[in-house]
Amino acid sequence: AQTVTQSQPEMSVQEAETVTLSCTYDTSENNYYLFWYKQPPSRQMILVIRQEAYKQQNATENRFSVNFQKAAKSFSLKISDSQLGDTAMYFCAFEVNTGKLIFGQGTTLQVKP
Amino acid sequence: KAGVTQTPRYLIKTRGQQVTLSCSPISGHRSVSWYQQTPGQGLQFLFEYFSETQRNKGNFPGRFSGRQFSNSRSEMNVSTLELGDSALYLCASSLADFSGNTIYFGEGSWLTVV
Repeated sequence: AQTVTQSQPEMSVQEAETVTLSCTYDTSENNYYLFWYKQPPSRQMILVIRQEAYKQQNATENRFSVNFQKAAKSFSLKISDSQLGDTAMYFCAFEVNTGKLIFGQGTTLQVKP
Repeated sequence: KAGVTQTPRYLIKTRGQQVTLSCSPISGHRSVSWYQQTPGQGLQFLFEYFSETQRNKGNFPGRFSGRQFSNSRSEMNVSTLELGDSALYLCASSLADFSGNTIYFGEGSWLTVV
């Protein structure tokens, strides 16, 4: 079975510092897609970053970047220069079949002023 | 471009009743998927429709059903509501003609069963 695991239920970081959220997954597929979504208190899921498994290069979107280790099945999210608006729940997700996502349990991130 | 729109946003139902939730995808998107979010179980996939056909299905009882119309709008129905069905129901849409398309989410429908 394909699974996604986020081992850090809660994390906190000081404003302007860097934080890394962990995610591991399990699959027997060779080509797949991984995502990080952010869910602020409004509860709307917002895509943060996307990684294609066949691409060796780690994805980057402004202050957000990933460390994708395919052999280790690890997909961590690094947030640089943390801002108060980054406070949210973060979900790691794996696309099992087209249009179907499997989510981890989420990590609640609090950015402190 | 309008985002994914879900209605109603909030509703309260009584055990044993049924409920229908509606989702309008982003214009041009042919895939609509539904997720249930609860504190205990997290985010769980319910089902996904593409061009009016159910393409993927999660592990939910038959009380949960859905459909998609020719304009890609989708509805999900839950019959014989149970207290445990209280949750945030999220709808998402994408082009989904192949894997890897960005999946966009709506703001969700909060269902409370009393």
